Order: sequence, then C-alpha cells, then structure tokens
Amino acid sequence: EAGVTQFPSHSVIEKGQTVTLRCDPISGHDNLYWYRRVMGKEIKFLLHFVKESKQDESGMPNNRFLAERTGGTYSTLKVQPAELEDSGVYFCASSLAAVSTDTQYFGPGTRLTVL
Amino acid sequence: DAKTTQPPSMDCAEGRAANLPCNHSTISGNEYVYWYRQIHSQGPQYIIHGLKNNETNEMASLIITEDRKSSTLILPHATLRDTAVYYCIVRGRYSGGYQKVTFGIGTKLQVIP
Repeated sequence: EAGVTQFPSHSVIEKGQTVTLRCDPISGHDNLYWYRRVMGKEIKFLLHFVKESKQDESGMPNNRFLAERTGGTYSTLKVQPAELEDSGVYFCASSLAAVSTDTQYFGPGTRLTVL
Repeated sequence: DAKTTQPPSMDCAEGRAANLPCNHSTISGNEYVYWYRQIHSQGPQYIIHGLKNNETNEMASLIITEDRKSSTLILPHATLRDTAVYYCIVRGRYSGGYQKVTFGIGTKLQVIP
C-alpha cells in the first residue's frame, strides 16, 4: 500500500511568486493534515481536512496560504505571494478516522525555499 | 504547548537498548501517549502509542507508569539507523472529534558505533 506522497520534494522560488504544493493521502483516509517546520522551529500544525471540508484551519499563518481538497482526495496548499519567512518543510499527513486512537501517517515533505 | 517534557539529547551504543523518557504529568484520562521519530529531514514516522498498558510492536516497546505521568520508549537493540529525533506526544479527543499532533522539541538520539 502506498504511503502519503507529496510533490514536489523541493521547490525554490523568488519572493512574490506563487507555489502550489500537493499531497496525496493514503487511499481511503478521510482525514488530511498539513504541518510545516520553519528553520530552527518545531513542527507546527496548519490545518485539517475531513474529506473535502476544512475541520480546523487555526494554524494557517495568514491569508497568503490557501488549502484545498476538492473531491476529498488529494490536497493542494498554495502560497501566494510567497515571502522569505515561508521557507521551510511542509508535511502532509493522513489518517483513517479522526478519533483519539487514530494514527496519522506523514509524507516525506516538500522543502520550500523562498529567495 | 506540547504537554510533554523530554531530554534534548541522548547517546546509545549500537546494539544496546535505548530508553527514551518522557514526562507528561498533566495528561488527562482520555489522552494517549504517542511516539514519532524523524530521521534526518524525512517525514515524521509513527512508532507506537498507548493509553495505560504497556505496548510492544516490531519497532519498540512503550512502558507507561501506573499514574500515567511518565513513559519510556524502548528500542531493544539500537542500530545506527535509529539515530533520529524522537517525539513524545500526548493526544486526546477534542471538541469536534478531530485531533492534531503537537510536536515539541523531542529527544535527539545518537546511536554510536
């Protein structure tokens, strides 16, 4: 069974440009999460989808970030326009059911560098 | 707020057991203890979780004290590939039925040849 996949693995863009990150969860997982780690900081939660609905987006840093999950399958995270402080590694995770015993499985991450 | 306390770093000799402690003195009755690890810059990898009983799987064992205020992750025979940052996380059911993983600083385990 394929795990969580993310694309691209690396992205280097200039300040002011737009970047779109993609996450494909494990097949059948209704829950999809985005996290990120900026340099020297802890991994932080960004948002949570249940199918195509945003359950919790309390961790989204500002309105330059837009996450979508059309059809409840893969998700995209768009940063527009990108700023220097957006550099970091963006992780996606998925789980079968949003209950306390449910395990989240993480993807390999997308390393974003904003110059 | 990660709700857990871990030593920032530990060393372990290859082939020996690695015992990683975690304090979670404010854990509530419905919260589980989860362990993840991150090898280099890869995505966090799930290891094990438990509520109050000790748990064992193919990767590790989890020992939770009777009062549930602390736990220990045991890697029985550490290898160089186990060098990673290990995160102890407390998670429970929240309003709305959703959960999120709150990472702290973790313990950087260095396995020494």
